[in-house]
Amino acid sequence: DIQMTQSPSSLSASVGDRVTITCRASQSISIYLNWYQQKPGKAPKLLIYAASRLQTGVPSRFSGSGSGTDFTLTISSLQPEDFATYFCQQTYNIPWTFGQGTKVEIK
Amino acid sequence: EVQVVESGGGLVQPGGSLRLSCAASGFTFSDFAMTWVRQAPGKGLQWVSAITGSGDNTDYGDSVKGRFAISRDNSKKTLYLQMTSLRAEDTAVYYCARVVVIPTIWGRWFDPWGQGTLVTVSS
Repeated sequence: DIQMTQSPSSLSASVGDRVTITCRASQSISIYLNWYQQKPGKAPKLLIYAASRLQTGVPSRFSGSGSGTDFTLTISSLQPEDFATYFCQQTYNIPWTFGQGTKVEIK
Repeated sequence: EVQVVESGGGLVQPGGSLRLSCAASGFTFSDFAMTWVRQAPGKGLQWVSAITGSGDNTDYGDSVKGRFAISRDNSKKTLYLQMTSLRAEDTAVYYCARVVVIPTIWGRWFDPWGQGTLVTVSS
């Protein structure tokens, strides 16, 4: 199975900060990498697919990059509604696997 | 509006069975693979199972293989997950999601997700 490792597991940041979350795959997954946002008690929401493509309706302050084994999710200017948990996911090989999540909290 | 809505969760005893349903609307259901993902309380996301649009092919995570069965009824636009031999560690919110594939873009992704249905396995 492909292991997905996110870092950090949690972070504290202020409104307006630039935030970067990294995701590393245990083997190359090309660009079969997606990012989801989940708020407490809610379902995950797709933010980025195919490593760098912004889902329709998602604010442009979110961006994704990377290929192979190393990927990043960047929030250019953190907004109050962005405080949530973020998960990366690989869909290169079954079983499709997720990172453990990064919780973004208010400083 | 593209939407999926789960139902069927509840409290079940260890060793028991339960069937989850996921009703789809707003898209041509048979054109899309579908998937189940679960999330234990306070934990991360775990992929459970997937099925092709035609229903001809299925896949399962190791932790549920042989105990869970995914199926679909395209005429009813509904996805199912039959869960048997349930264990305490199967306790989770179960989400269904559409699997999106676009031929010109490498990758596949889950969108949308339903609101989830809680399955609690306890005596």
